[in-house]
Amino acid sequence: EIVMTQSPATLSVSPGERATLSCRASQSVSSNLAWYQQKPGQAPRLLIYGASTRATGIPARFSGSGSGTEFTLTISSLQSEDFAVYYCQQYNNWPPFGQGTKVEIK
Amino acid sequence: EVQLVESGGGLVQPGGSLRLSCAASGFTFSSYWMHWVRQAPGKGLVWVSRINSDGSSTSYADSVKGRFTISRDNAKNTLYLQMNSLRAEDTAVYYCARGGYYYDSSPPDYWGQGTLVTVSS
Repeated sequence: EIVMTQSPATLSVSPGERATLSCRASQSVSSNLAWYQQKPGQAPRLLIYGASTRATGIPARFSGSGSGTEFTLTISSLQSEDFAVYYCQQYNNWPPFGQGTKVEIK
Repeated sequence: EVQLVESGGGLVQPGGSLRLSCAASGFTFSSYWMHWVRQAPGKGLVWVSRINSDGSSTSYADSVKGRFTISRDNAKNTLYLQMNSLRAEDTAVYYCARGGYYYDSSPPDYWGQGTLVTVSS
């Protein structure tokens, strides 16, 4: 079973600042890595797939990078609507999810 | 527009059973893998089960293996999750989500709004 580890657990950021979230896989998942955003009371929303491809309608301030075991989600300039929990997910094997990173207002 | 609408959640006693449904519309349901993912109150996302496009291949998380059964009716555009021998730790919001097109090579892209299952006496 592949274990996904996200860091940090909580990230405090001011609006307009950059946020960098990390995700590490216990073994290589190639580029089969996705990122989701979830707000309270809502279903997850797909942001990134293939480690770096933005899903339909996702703003350019969201970018993903990495391959193998190390991945990063960067939000270039945080907007108020970006404060949420972010999950990485590998789809090379199942089960897939990391434990999440909460991005909160500093 | 892709839509996934879950139903069937509710309060059930430990040891009881429940069947969840997920009605799909806006896409060719019979061409896609489908998933169930759950989220306990205040906790993270946990993958539960998946099924291929024609229902011939399924897999489960270890925590539900032998108790839950995923199935689909492509004529009715509906996904199911039969849950037996329910435990308190199965309490969660259950989401259905669309997976890959014929191949299990894409992450879930569209999600329903979820249905709450509460296991309690």
